[in-house]
Amino acid sequence: DVKVTQSSRYLVKRTGEKVFLECVQDMDHENMFWYRQDPGLGLRLIYFSYDVKMKEKGDIPEGYSVSREKKERFSLILESASTNQTSMYLCASSSPHSLPLSYEQYFGPGTRLTVT
Amino acid sequence: DQQVKQNSPSLSVQEGRISILNCDYTNSMFDYFLWYKKYPAEGPTFLISISSIKDKNEDGRFTVFLNKSAKHLSLHIVPSQPGDSAVYFCARNFGNEKLTFGTGTRLTIIP
Repeated sequence: DVKVTQSSRYLVKRTGEKVFLECVQDMDHENMFWYRQDPGLGLRLIYFSYDVKMKEKGDIPEGYSVSREKKERFSLILESASTNQTSMYLCASSSPHSLPLSYEQYFGPGTRLTVT
Repeated sequence: DQQVKQNSPSLSVQEGRISILNCDYTNSMFDYFLWYKKYPAEGPTFLISISSIKDKNEDGRFTVFLNKSAKHLSLHIVPSQPGDSAVYFCARNFGNEKLTFGTGTRLTIIP
């Protein structure tokens, strides 16, 4: 079974702090994603990585950066946390070579981040 | 415009009956559509998918229908069970590894 783990389930940070959210997958997937989930807005893509050291902006990248130094690990960084970044953060992974073709992404359990 | 829209934020269904969750989309090309289920405090889990070259895909109690002329996708759950109570997201792929998600529908199964 694919396993995607996230470093924290719950996190409370203060405004202005630098925040690191870590994600690790154990299936040798090339693609990794960071989303945030907010009520009434669904899942919105923050950043996407299709290979080590490669990244692509998603729909809402402002205020975030990412790092992918190893294939299995994808980090989301909030350079200076703000209250509007209080949200559920979800990491996912996928492979472009999966068969049958379905574009399925595998999700971690999520990190509930509160910025006060 | 790559949107998928779920116009019903919530749905309540009696246990044993059929649950029908709906999703509309725009600008159809060669796509894949997926349905995910999410419990509180957990990540979404994949349920079922369908290619835009098909009209229907079935997996146990779950069937997804694709009406290309109406640009409409639906998920049928028969029979509905209490464990089906969750938030359901439809998602769309354009062949570029990314998914675009709808806003979700909260399904409540009434015992």
